Amino acid sequence: GNSVTQMEGPVTLSEEAFLTINCTYTATGYPSLFWYVQYPGEGLQLLLKATKADDKGSNKGFEATYRKETTSFHLEKGSVQVSDSAVYFCALSDRPRGAAGNKLTFGGGTRVLVKP
Amino acid sequence: NAGVMQNPRHLVRRRGQEARLRCSPMKGHSHVYWYRQLPEEGLKFMVYLQKENIIDESGMPKERFSAEFPKEGPSILRIQQVVRGDSAAYFCASSPPPIQHTGELFFGEGSRLTVL
Repeated sequence: GNSVTQMEGPVTLSEEAFLTINCTYTATGYPSLFWYVQYPGEGLQLLLKATKADDKGSNKGFEATYRKETTSFHLEKGSVQVSDSAVYFCALSDRPRGAAGNKLTFGGGTRVLVKP
Repeated sequence: NAGVMQNPRHLVRRRGQEARLRCSPMKGHSHVYWYRQLPEEGLKFMVYLQKENIIDESGMPKERFSAEFPKEGPSILRIQQVVRGDSAAYFCASSPPPIQHTGELFFGEGSRLTVL
């Protein structure tokens, strides 16, 4: 079956530090990959996505590249801010083309705490 | 607000009572998904539904849990005879019809159930 593995947190950083959160996956077929972010007390928001190999998703200074050869989708940001403190979830969707709906498979989440 | 609406945001029940969680999908969306997030854990898929039809309930506990998405009105996740282990955040997500679907899900802010 499908699975997503991401590094365990918490990750504690100082402001302006470089952030990397590792994510690897196991899936049949050619999944789409996502990073969602959950701020304290809120629901999940899509941060970025990539739908095929070598695609790079980017948003709000975050980037992740879909690496089929290493089955990875690591999240990076060059200079974090206190407002980036949140839980980050890697996820995959293996919905076949034309299928009705899909369910995402999530990793366990990585809590990031950025200190001033 | 055109987002996914969940209510109640917080629900407290005593052991043995029933919990009903409601979810209205985004306008134009045809599929609803329910996920559970236990404290300090990731999101676990429970069920996804189309109007009047359960598509996949492979993540639903065999007993006490049920879900519906009637022709009119919100989707409802029902938990009968709640136990302390049911305490969690329950997130609803929605997606558009397949022809418009890019793979991502749109999440509500969650319903946090506490069982005393």
